[in-house]
Amino acid sequence: KAGVTQTPRYLIKTRGQQVTLSCSPISGHRSVSWYQQTPGQGLQFLFEYFSETQRNKGNFPGRFSGRQFSNSRSEMNVSTLELGDSALYLCASSSPADTQYFGPGTRLTVL
Amino acid sequence: GNSVTQMEGPVTLSEEAFLTINCTYTATGYPSLFWYVQYPGEGLQLLLKATKADDKGSNKGFEATYRKETTSFHLEKGSVQVSDSAVYFCALSESMGNTGKLIFGQGTTLQVKP
Repeated sequence: KAGVTQTPRYLIKTRGQQVTLSCSPISGHRSVSWYQQTPGQGLQFLFEYFSETQRNKGNFPGRFSGRQFSNSRSEMNVSTLELGDSALYLCASSSPADTQYFGPGTRLTVL
Repeated sequence: GNSVTQMEGPVTLSEEAFLTINCTYTATGYPSLFWYVQYPGEGLQLLLKATKADDKGSNKGFEATYRKETTSFHLEKGSVQVSDSAVYFCALSESMGNTGKLIFGQGTTLQVKP
């Protein structure tokens, strides 16, 4: 069974731009969660989508948004990028009441 | 709110030494507990989990027991290898049946020397 895939793996953007990251979950998994990992703040939960609906949301500004499609693939968008948004963005998928399985992440660098 | 606290790293051990990484948690209800491992340049891999009190999770020689009375989930391994060098994260899910949100500890870096 293929794992969670994330694209792109690396991104370089400048301040003020926006970015879209993509996540394809494990086949059959309907829940997709997103996390931000930084050296200073560690791993922080962004949001979770289940059956195209946002089910949980972390404590991030509205510049961070996401969506999920009918095939369970998910995208997250960050608008008006700031230097502090530089991070590894991890996506995880799970089936109901099951463990989260993580993708390799997208490394975003904001210059 | 819910939180996870791990011992400060880095932890440096010689090969075949015994490993303990402490993890304690604060949570309402009955969370599930997890250990994830992250190798350089990679995402998180599930190492083991426990879903209720007194459960023991185990995998690849690693073990952890869900202790509700001490709110702990310490990771142990009897004999570490150089290949175990990585960052280890303790995490909890906020409610049974809905594991969409994980709360992570700050991570503990393990370095194993030959």
